[in-house]
Amino acid sequence: DVKVTQSSRYLVKRTGEKVFLECVQDMDHENMFWYRQDPGLGLRLIYFSYDVKMKEKGDIPEGYSVSREKKERFSLILESASTNQTSMYLCASSSTGTGQETQYFGPGTRLLVL
Amino acid sequence: QKEVEQDPGPLSVPEGAIVSLNCTYSNSAFQYFMWYRQYSRKGPELLMYTYSSGNKEDGRFTAQVDKSSKYISLFIRDSQPSDSATYLCAMSGDNYGQNFVFGPGTRLSVLP
Repeated sequence: DVKVTQSSRYLVKRTGEKVFLECVQDMDHENMFWYRQDPGLGLRLIYFSYDVKMKEKGDIPEGYSVSREKKERFSLILESASTNQTSMYLCASSSTGTGQETQYFGPGTRLLVL
Repeated sequence: QKEVEQDPGPLSVPEGAIVSLNCTYSNSAFQYFMWYRQYSRKGPELLMYTYSSGNKEDGRFTAQVDKSSKYISLFIRDSQPSDSATYLCAMSGDNYGQNFVFGPGTRLSVLP
């Protein structure tokens, strides 16, 4: 079974703090994704990565950065947290070109910025 | 117009009912269609995966794709309280596990 884990289930941070969210997958997947999920807006793609040290902006990258130093690990960084970044953050991973490809999600990190 | 539309609900049904969940989309390039189930405060989990038009059945769940109408459905037979969750549709134009577009989700409550 594919397993995607996220470092924290719940986080409370102050405005202006630097926040690190970590994601690890154990299936040797090439692709990794960070989404945020807000009521009524669904899943919105922040950043994704197709390979180590590679990153691409998604639909809403402003205020975020990412790091992928190892294939299994993809980190999302909030450089200076703001209240409008309070949200549920979901990490996902997928493989490329081996058949019925789909994205597998982690349990999510619920972030509250005060 | 959003690329994928889905009625947000909430949809409440009695236990044992047949549930129909639907998504419409605008991009005719989509060929791969998925349904995810998301329990409260958890990550989405894949329920059904279909390619192109047609039906696919898995236990109490049936996924239906009508590409000519740009319309996909998920049917749940003999619904159970444990089916209470948010259901997200997702679609992609390629088979690379990338470039997914998600619907906003429909919240379903199955009442005992």
